[in-house]
Amino acid sequence: DTGVSQDPRHKITKRGQNVTFRCDPISEHNRLYWYRQTLGQGPEFLTYFQNEAQLEKSRLLSDRFSAERPKGSFSTLEIQRTEQGDSAMYLCASSLGGTNEKLFFGSGTQLSVL
Amino acid sequence: AQSVSQHNHHVILSEAASLELGCNYSYGGTVNLFWYVQYPGQHLQLLLKYFSGDPLVKGIKGFEAEFIKSKFSFNLRKPSVQWSDTAEYFCAVKLNTGGFKTIFGAGTRLFVKA
Repeated sequence: DTGVSQDPRHKITKRGQNVTFRCDPISEHNRLYWYRQTLGQGPEFLTYFQNEAQLEKSRLLSDRFSAERPKGSFSTLEIQRTEQGDSAMYLCASSLGGTNEKLFFGSGTQLSVL
Repeated sequence: AQSVSQHNHHVILSEAASLELGCNYSYGGTVNLFWYVQYPGQHLQLLLKYFSGDPLVKGIKGFEAEFIKSKFSFNLRKPSVQWSDTAEYFCAVKLNTGGFKTIFGAGTRLFVKA
């Protein structure tokens, strides 16, 4: 499968713990996005990378959230000191950019904070 | 703030019925418009998109959408639905302001009765 892959698929953690998610985009895609989705809502933009540069970050994103894409390939999203409100599906998407801004989504990481 | 509104959260239709899902966005500038679909157990995928030109856009599986600039709308249509169209449908807008985020509506869950 050459689509976007995310790991893990599910993560259960206790409040206050740190968690890290990984996303492997489609190999030739230089654009990578992180979204968050809660029940009954559409995906909410978190952050965007073009190659290794983080070019846009949602103003709603807490300082507890950090994302990296060190070599312009895979990306990680870390949440420090998790809170129950962080429980959500975390989606990664990638695209070629330009006039073909079609997002290819992964299956997501479902986070449950107890 | 820019937003995307989908008028119906849940729609139930019988097979062969016609479908129209409403979508409105709040932004006065140039936009790129999308409909994404999520079938049960699958990841989000692109159904169709509008960038410029003919405001009537045709997508996969017999879906089409019409961009009406004066109404800030991008409604999705299908003349005759099938049971396999049961899914969640998301309208999305990307602003041509130099930013990179795509803004999603809350989604419409469609259930097609066989």
